[in-house]
Amino acid sequence: QKEVEQNSGPLSVPEGAIASLNCTYSDRGSQSFFWYRQYSGKSPELIMFIYSNGDKEDGRFTAQLNKASQYVSLLIRDSQPSDSATYLCAVTYNFNKFYFGSGTKLNVKP
Amino acid sequence: NAGVTQTPKFQVLKTGQSMTLQCAQDMNHNSMYWYRQDPGMGLRLIYYSASEGTTDKGEVPNGYNVSRLNKREFSLRLESAAPSQTSVYFCASRTSGRADTQYFGPGTRLTVL
Repeated sequence: QKEVEQNSGPLSVPEGAIASLNCTYSDRGSQSFFWYRQYSGKSPELIMFIYSNGDKEDGRFTAQLNKASQYVSLLIRDSQPSDSATYLCAVTYNFNKFYFGSGTKLNVKP
Repeated sequence: NAGVTQTPKFQVLKTGQSMTLQCAQDMNHNSMYWYRQDPGMGLRLIYYSASEGTTDKGEVPNGYNVSRLNKREFSLRLESAAPSQTSVYFCASRTSGRADTQYFGPGTRLTVL
């Protein structure tokens, strides 16, 4: 059983703060890691992917990967109310099958 | 360029009825996927198709069948619907590179009574 674990939240942060979202995965054979954002009633949309240990930055978003600890995180700097959504972590082992966590709900308060 | 389209958007079935969910993509992607998402849960892979003419089971294939009709279209069939299949169904497509993303359709909300 390949598992991807996320804290369901909700995670509440004030506008302008840094939001930190975490994800752990069970299979050390994991190859690539993805963060998706899903607004209520909508389909997931990709924010970032990462496949090398370390940090990857894209605008206000930073993904961090630690394969030894089987841990991937997403930092959102200068959080905005429009960032309020559920964030899904996904892992792929063979670039065909993707395994998703249950998501963390983020609330950014004005 | 419509991306990934799904029909229908909503459907209500009675237990035992059958139906087919349609998915099409116009991005010339090789891989296509069907997921279900239950309340408060992430997406679970039902079936996928790595290329035209091939299909494989995902995490939760029981009760479903799929057809990769051509490169553009990938359908999901429920032969005898059960209340446990009440869910939101998402289709996705992707090219075949290492980090290429999946693009999701708008979803089909299915209720089985």
